[in-house]
Amino acid sequence: AQSVTQLDSQVPVFEEAPVELRCNYSSSVSVYLFWYVQYPNQGLQLLLKYLSGSTLVKGINGFEAEFNKSQTSFHLRKPSVHISDTAEYFCAVKEDAGKSTFGDGTTLTVKP
Amino acid sequence: ETGVTQSPTHLIKTRGQQVTLRCSSQSGHNTVSWYQQALGQGPQFIFQYYREEENGRGNFPPRFSGLQFPNYSSELNVNALELDDSALYLCASSLEQWSGYTFGSGTRLTVV
Repeated sequence: AQSVTQLDSQVPVFEEAPVELRCNYSSSVSVYLFWYVQYPNQGLQLLLKYLSGSTLVKGINGFEAEFNKSQTSFHLRKPSVHISDTAEYFCAVKEDAGKSTFGDGTTLTVKP
Repeated sequence: ETGVTQSPTHLIKTRGQQVTLRCSSQSGHNTVSWYQQALGQGPQFIFQYYREEENGRGNFPPRFSGLQFPNYSSELNVNALELDDSALYLCASSLEQWSGYTFGSGTRLTVV
């Protein structure tokens, strides 16, 4: 069975600093990997996805993530964060046509 | 793109009652999935429909049921509501089985 572990429940960071949100997964088969962002009282919005090919994927709002198969990780990064990046971030893994399994989320708080 | 719309946005029900939540998928998306998101947790997979057939189900009891209609809109029905059913219910549609989701803003269900 697939599972997702987001290693940090909360990440506080100052504006314009770099940030990394960590995600590890486990699965017995090849997977697709996703990061979503959720603003208060809203649904989730897709930030980026890894399906195949280059292990470094770029998404919206300046975010990028790197797939590391040997470490079964898919960490999300941004070189310089803004106040507006304050939100909940979810890592998800999907096997073929099946369900997506989500982590419990990381709360990113950007302070001025 | 019209996105995914869910109704109602908020709902309060009494324990033991039944509830129906509705979702209109993004235009052209033939797969719809329903998730339950409890406070402070990641979304948990309830079930998925592809071309009006259920083709995946999470660890939820049979009192959680659904439908997908020919226009790809969908319903989630929950019978015999329990207090623990209080959560944000998210509908998500996707164009292909391996693509990311487009989420609605959710229905906040409170069971009292």
